This record gives sequence, C-alpha cells and structure tokens, in this order.
Amino acid sequence: GAVVSQHPSWVICKSGTSVKIECRSLDFQATTMFWYRQFPKQSLMLMATSNEGSKATYEQGVEKDKFLINHASLTLSTLTVTSAHPEDSSFYICSSLRVSRTDTQYFGPGTRLTVL
Amino acid sequence: DAKTTQPPSMDCAEGRAANLPCNHSTISGNEYVYWYRQIHSQGPQYIIHGLKNNETNEMASLIITEDRKSSTLILPHATLRDTAVYYCIVRVSTGRRALTFGSGTRLQVQP
Repeated sequence: GAVVSQHPSWVICKSGTSVKIECRSLDFQATTMFWYRQFPKQSLMLMATSNEGSKATYEQGVEKDKFLINHASLTLSTLTVTSAHPEDSSFYICSSLRVSRTDTQYFGPGTRLTVL
Repeated sequence: DAKTTQPPSMDCAEGRAANLPCNHSTISGNEYVYWYRQIHSQGPQYIIHGLKNNETNEMASLIITEDRKSSTLILPHATLRDTAVYYCIVRVSTGRRALTFGSGTRLQVQP
C-alpha cells in the first residue's frame, strides 16, 4: 500500500520553542495533503489542508500563525508549531491524497508532541 | 458527507470472523463508503472502500446492502493485531476534501 512517513515520530520540547514536523509522501506525488490533531481518547480532528504551491486552508479555530504549513514540493509538507505551549501537546498526523477515479487518503504514522 | 452510526465497541474471538456494522441511511448516490482503522498510537490505516458492489482485498471484505443504507466490514480471521478502532466514513470520492472521522468502533480481539 501507499506509504507516508513522518519525522520525528516523537518530540519533547520546552514551552515557547518551535517544532517542525515533516510529512513525506513516498509512493506518489500529492498536490493535496492534510494535517490532523488527535488528543487522548478523542478522534482525529482536521487542522488544515495543505496544497502544493499555494497557501494552506485552515479549519475554524486553528490559528494559521501558530501552525505554519509549507507544501513546497509534491512529496513534502511541513507543519511548524510556533511558540509551543503545553496545551499544544498532542498527536499530529498527516495524510496524502492519492487522486484517482476514487480519491484515497493515506496516513502517516503520527508525531507525538509533548511540550513541557 | 452522510452521517454514519457505528457501535462504540465490539469483541471478537481470535481466529473468528469480525463483522463490523455501519449505518449510513442518508447516503447519496455518489458517496462512497470508506473504512479505516487506527491501532493504538498509530496513524489510521486504509482498509477498503466501495460504492455499491461488494469489495474484497487482502485485508477485508466490504458488504454493502442493496439500498446502500448500511454496510459491514468483515475481517475473516481476526488476530490480536486487528485490535483497533475502526472508522466507517461516507463521502464523495472527489473534491480533494479531507475525511471526517467520527468515534468509530473499538474492536477488541480476545485470545
């Protein structure tokens, strides 16, 4: 099946620092990638849609200046959590959209962020 | 996207078939049924999807009723590694929009 990687798989940082998470689509080129966040015992919540070569589209309530998304190539999207705080601690998951007759999303393994 | 209803949890004995139901009574003609699963602390894994015909792949079978108002995901021989949260999602296949996840069904495979 399609493979999407994320790096790092986990990160611990101090409050106020910035953290960058990379998402790579390894099997196919993806003009569209998505970023989700998942808090403990909750379902995945979409944060933003990342489009190659254009600005990301953020869901309501997600601060675009805090969660910077860059989709500079067809295989790489990055999420930077700026000035992280403990409430940003979460499981961040990206996905790539394979466009075909029936579009299918493939997900990365996730990145566990802990902000101290 | 049409709303889906799944039982919150199910148990299944190892080696037996796991049948996970999903109701989607408001599904539209151009909406597909997608199934994903999420094993603890991992990203969701694509399982299968279908429109109206039954589908089978190496992981599972998807049975969609003739009126398309419900479907069943079948894991033919469940193993302990199939313990996960299973999500049934209904949406049109195109439009480059993200999947919306509900609560899913937590399947516990018992030894």
